[in-house]
Amino acid sequence: DAEITQSPRHKITETGRQVTLACHQTWNHNNMFWYRQDLGHGLRLIHYSYGVQDTNKGEVSDGYSVSRSNTEDLPLTLESAASSQTSVYFCASSELLAPGYNEQFFGPGTRLTVL
Amino acid sequence: AQSVAQPEDQVNVAEGNPLTVKCTYSVSGNPYLFWYVQYPNRGLQFLLKYITGDNLVKGSYGFEAEFNKSQTSFHLKKPSALVSDSALYFCAVRGTSTTSGTYKYIFGTGTRLKVLA
Repeated sequence: DAEITQSPRHKITETGRQVTLACHQTWNHNNMFWYRQDLGHGLRLIHYSYGVQDTNKGEVSDGYSVSRSNTEDLPLTLESAASSQTSVYFCASSELLAPGYNEQFFGPGTRLTVL
Repeated sequence: AQSVAQPEDQVNVAEGNPLTVKCTYSVSGNPYLFWYVQYPNRGLQFLLKYITGDNLVKGSYGFEAEFNKSQTSFHLKKPSALVSDSALYFCAVRGTSTTSGTYKYIFGTGTRLKVLA
């Protein structure tokens, strides 16, 4: 069965370190998204991609970067981790046709703690 | 401004009773609306969506939602709640990125549903 996976599931790091969260999907979806989930804020969009070599900033992109070298993967990098980036991170994907028309499929999440 | 509001942080309902989880939205153009459910330590799962057509949309697990254009609402409903329905529910709407002009999803802050046995 097709799926979307994230690794690691839990990560503890220190302030200032670079951290990369992996996202891999086997749906063959062109659209991929990264969100963070914080109490009282729901899900906020960090970055998104509509295809290979395409990346776009979301509403809370400062301090994060992504790259899309193939269809299956969209790694999220925290350039210099800050305590404010302690959160649960979700990756999602959706079909190419009319972005925003189709539902998203979510990964299980990565819980990141920055000390 | 584009937004989604879920006015209730938590909704409590007795098992067997009907439930409603509220959602209102603000977007330009025709709204594409979604409901997702999140169980503990899991990612979000799609429940249903409204794109066009009949204002009453049926989805997974017996849930349905009613689109009301005049009230800009998309409330989630179920005729008879189960204890297993207890979870966090998110409403989402398709919005447009103000910087790139591309489409994106805007999520509400979530409503925790607690079904009491």
